[in-house]
Amino acid sequence: DIQMTQSPSSLSASVGDRVSITCRASQTINIYLNWYQQKPGEAPKLLIYAASSLQSGVPSRFSGTGSGTDFTLTISSLQPEDFATYYCHQSYTAPPTFGQGTKVEI
Amino acid sequence: EVQLLESGGGLVQRGGSLRLSCAASGFTFSTYAMSWVRQAPGKGLEWVSSISGGGGSTNYADSVKGRFTTSRDNAKKALYLHMSSLRVEDTAVYYCAKSGGAHGDYEYWGQGSRVTVSS
Repeated sequence: DIQMTQSPSSLSASVGDRVSITCRASQTINIYLNWYQQKPGEAPKLLIYAASSLQSGVPSRFSGTGSGTDFTLTISSLQPEDFATYYCHQSYTAPPTFGQGTKVEI
Repeated sequence: EVQLLESGGGLVQRGGSLRLSCAASGFTFSTYAMSWVRQAPGKGLEWVSSISGGGGSTNYADSVKGRFTTSRDNAKKALYLHMSSLRVEDTAVYYCAKSGGAHGDYEYWGQGSRVTVSS
């Protein structure tokens, strides 16, 4: 199975900060990398698919980069509603696997 | 508007069975692969199973293979997860998710159905 490793596991930031979360795959996954946001008690929400494509309706302050094994999710200016846990997910090969999550806290 | 509504969760004893349902609306159900993803209390996301749009192909995580069965009824726009020989470690919120298409992302998620397996 492909292992997905996110860093950091948690971070503290302030409103307006630029925040980056990285995700590393244990083997190449081309651009089959997706990012989700999950708030407590809610279902995950797709933010970015295919490494850098912004899902419809997602604010443009979210962006994704990378290919191969190394990927980054960036929030250009953190907003109060962005405090949540973020997961990366590889859909390159079965079984699909998720990173362990990154909790973004105030 | 795409909607996915899970039902059927609850409390079950170890070794028991349970069937989850996911009612879909707002899209051409038979066109899309569907998946189940679970989240144990306080833990991350774990893929459980996927089924193709026509229902002819299914995949399972090793942790549930042989115990869980995913099926779908395209006429009813419904997805199912039949769980048997349940273990305490199967305790989780189970989400159904709609595939986004070629890239394998999970474009839409249901609200989740909680399954608790007691010892």
